[in-house]
Amino acid sequence: GAGVSQSPSNKVTEKGKDVELRCDPISGHTALYWYRQSLGQGLEFLIYFQGNSAPDKSGLPSDRFSAERTGGSVSTLTIQRTQQEDSAVYLCASSLAGKRSFNEQFFGPGTRLTVL
Amino acid sequence: DAKTTQPNSMESNEEEPVHLPCNHSTISGTDYIHWYRQLPSQGPEYVIHGLTSNVNNRMASLAIAEDRKSSTLILHRATLRDAAVYYCILRDPSGTYKYIFGTGTRLKVLA
Repeated sequence: GAGVSQSPSNKVTEKGKDVELRCDPISGHTALYWYRQSLGQGLEFLIYFQGNSAPDKSGLPSDRFSAERTGGSVSTLTIQRTQQEDSAVYLCASSLAGKRSFNEQFFGPGTRLTVL
Repeated sequence: DAKTTQPNSMESNEEEPVHLPCNHSTISGTDYIHWYRQLPSQGPEYVIHGLTSNVNNRMASLAIAEDRKSSTLILHRATLRDAAVYYCILRDPSGTYKYIFGTGTRLKVLA
């Protein structure tokens, strides 16, 4: 079956430009997560969506970062006025439900963002 | 926030067992211990999880200390395809259901 997909797979942009990263979760998964992984580092939590609840935005590093999830499915992560330190791999994951102690997360392949 | 501590790297010979340790001394009573791994140039994938009892699945075994302050992921026979970064993760006890990934253990498997 189809897994989590992300697009684009690679994005090169100039400093100061806005970028949009897309995530298509597994059908039926109500929970969706965005993470950032800088070169050689672990995963940094950014934002979490669960159904129609207000998202947990506690990991967003600045107000230049925002995300939305339309219709409980596709999610878009937007970075405004990109900076070189935003360069990283952005990973999306989805899971069946958030309100359980165990909810296996299925990850997409990531979007590699390079800000010149 | 509950945190985990793992060695930065480990090496193993192919076909030999590998024991990957994780310390989580501030684990709460309801936290599950999860292990994920990240193969090169891929997103992480689930390996195993447990609460109190040791667990086995087709990929690995998870041994959990009686006081739950540490756990060990066991790969019974390492293969070259097991070379990856292994993350030991606790569910965030603040109740927001996010997971905190550390830097993990980079496992190198020698042929």
